[in-house]
Amino acid sequence: SAVISQKPSRDICQRGTSLTIQCQVDSQVTMMFWYRQQPGQSLTLIATANQGSEATYESGFVIDKFPISRPNLTFSTLTVSNMSPEDSSIYLCSVTQGAYYGYTFGSGTRLTVV
Amino acid sequence: GESVGLHLPTLSVQEGDNSIINCAYSNSASDYFIWYKQESGKGPQFIIDIRSNMDKRQGQRVTVLLNKTVKHLSLQIAATQPGDSAVYFCAEGGPTSGTYKYIFGTGTRLKVLA
Repeated sequence: SAVISQKPSRDICQRGTSLTIQCQVDSQVTMMFWYRQQPGQSLTLIATANQGSEATYESGFVIDKFPISRPNLTFSTLTVSNMSPEDSSIYLCSVTQGAYYGYTFGSGTRLTVV
Repeated sequence: GESVGLHLPTLSVQEGDNSIINCAYSNSASDYFIWYKQESGKGPQFIIDIRSNMDKRQGQRVTVLLNKTVKHLSLQIAATQPGDSAVYFCAEGGPTSGTYKYIFGTGTRLKVLA
C-alpha cells in the first residue's frame, strides 16, 4: 500500500493566521481526501482533492476556509485559513486506489490554535 | 496523552480474553466496510475489510461480521493483547453508495487490562 508523508506533524498557531499542511505519497494514487478529527471525535471528511481541478467540499466546509491544491497524483496541500481555536483538530490526509481498496492515512497534523 | 478517544465509548477487556466491538452503519447502499485501528498519536490503520456479498471474514486474530438486515458490523479480536489498546472505527462506503468516500462511525476505545 501507499506510504504517506504528512507535514507538519503538529503545530501551535496564533488565531487569525493560516497553516498549510502537506501530503506527499510515494506512488501515484487515484483519489486523495482530507479529513478532520476533532478532540475525542470520529473522522469527518472535509473534501476530495481532485488532480488538476478544484476540490469537492463536503457540507459545512468551504474553499475560502480550507483551500486545497492537488497539482499531481502524488501531492496535495490543505490550508486552514484565518484560524480560530475551534479549528484545533487533527487533520488527516488519506488516499485510495479506488473501489474496495480502503484508505491509507497519513499520520496526521495536530493543530492547536491559541 | 493524545485527545483521540477521550470521549468515546470504552470497552475494557482482560488480556487474553476475546473482544467484540460493534458498529451500526447508516446507508443500506454501502457495499464495502472497513475496520480501522487508531493508536495514540497516529493515523488510522487498516485492520480488515468486508464486502456486502459476504457476512464473515477472518484475518489474523480478527474476524469481521456483517449483518445487512439490521445494518450492523462487528469486529472480534481473539486473545486480546496490550498492543490492541487503541480506538477502533468502522467505515462504510463503496462504489454502489455513489462515491469512493467512506463514512466513519463514532469509534470505540478498547482498553486491555493486564
